[in-house]
Amino acid sequence: GENVEQHPSTLSVQEGDSAVIKCTYSDSASNYFPWYKQELGKGPQLIIDIRSNVGEKKDQRIAVTLNKTAKHFSLHITETQPEDSAVYFCAARLSNFGNEKLTFGTGTRLTIIP
Amino acid sequence: NAGVTQTPKFQVLKTGQSMTLQCAQDMNHEYMSWYRQDPGMGLRLIHYSVGAGITDQGEVPNGYNVSRSTTEDFPLRLLSAAPSQTSVYFCASSSGGPSYNEQFFGPGTRLTVL
Repeated sequence: GENVEQHPSTLSVQEGDSAVIKCTYSDSASNYFPWYKQELGKGPQLIIDIRSNVGEKKDQRIAVTLNKTAKHFSLHITETQPEDSAVYFCAARLSNFGNEKLTFGTGTRLTIIP
Repeated sequence: NAGVTQTPKFQVLKTGQSMTLQCAQDMNHEYMSWYRQDPGMGLRLIHYSVGAGITDQGEVPNGYNVSRSTTEDFPLRLLSAAPSQTSVYFCASSSGGPSYNEQFFGPGTRLTVL
């Protein structure tokens, strides 16, 4: 099955600086890579996703890049703000399946220092 | 829309007791899943359903049962609780099939087994 590794497990950055979280996946048949943000006491919420036919996707201060050859993808948050403090999860999904085959990384706790 | 709802929010059980975690969604989603979240281990899939009357095992199914008699509800049963089942449990739902549909999570149930 698919295996997703996520680094770092914790990350602290100064407000206004950028944060980068990296994930690698094992199965080259994966074709969908979502990122989730989990605030304290809440369930995860989708913030951005990327499909395997795209190398980069941006949404305001958030961007995701995908390197299919190396089987890794990254989340980039620019101009960080206190409300970006949360736990972030990456995930990978095998092609031809729905979300029942979504495999998650172990999470990154991001802390923004005012 | 209420989205995905879970009850209870918190529960304390003694070893050997049984209980049912409730999950309901009002988005007419075909897919529903149960995850457990443990520190340093991310989200691990327990059981999932791709439609009413259809369920299957995920990564960590032992000690848990599910059924799906309606599209809206997907309860998770612990038959004989063990301390190893102390965790935060999340229910999620999404539209079916391999298309790139967002998975919506409930707010979670924090379970402690003494």
